[in-house]
Amino acid sequence: ETGVTQTPRHLVMGMTNKKSLKCEQHLGHNAMYWYKQSAKKPLELMFVYNFKEQTENNSVPSRFSPECPNSSHLFLHLHTLQPEDSALYLCASSQEWAGGPTDTQYFGPGTRLTVL
Amino acid sequence: GQNIDQPTEMTATEGAIVQINCTYQTSGFNGLFWYQQHAGEAPTFLSYNVLDGLEEKGRFSSFLSRSKGYSYLLLKELQMKDSASYLCAVRDSNYQLIWGAGTKLIIKP
Repeated sequence: ETGVTQTPRHLVMGMTNKKSLKCEQHLGHNAMYWYKQSAKKPLELMFVYNFKEQTENNSVPSRFSPECPNSSHLFLHLHTLQPEDSALYLCASSQEWAGGPTDTQYFGPGTRLTVL
Repeated sequence: GQNIDQPTEMTATEGAIVQINCTYQTSGFNGLFWYQQHAGEAPTFLSYNVLDGLEEKGRFSSFLSRSKGYSYLLLKELQMKDSASYLCAVRDSNYQLIWGAGTKLIIKP
């Protein structure tokens, strides 16, 4: 399998549930990203991992908890979410965070999350 | 603050040409990216501009004017499969990508 994969593709959860999103990249990249995409809004960067170390956390609520066990895998653990957290969650990877002007991000298909 | 502006929606006819504009105000500039995103799918990389001028890639071209904070994506010989959202993103001085909200392009027969 090539590129960036994400599971599950769709997730419906209640506000008291705990769930996890998974991302895997097969591109040999060293940086991985979580984005939130809401309708008609720009992509919001949530977290960045570079060589397994978290380098960015853009004021994301603690109910979202990332985990990066190695350069190929990234998780987003979800706990006590709110209905406004419903969105498409995209994972991306690139050669290296701040690796230079030409560093290009490659995206997975996303997880469509609905919080009831 | 940092800002990327692009039209929310555009409509064009199959076989025609369409130009999608993007203007930006960012803290520094380290390149501009265009991505295509079909509904329910991943954004896919289309083009990258860091110097002024036109970059051509088959039916798609991207133009950049750094002095004007302006770029456009030109799509020629439109096909129905070009119906998608087109995202403009600028890499700022901290190498962070600043994203526009995307332009939904509707192609009619």
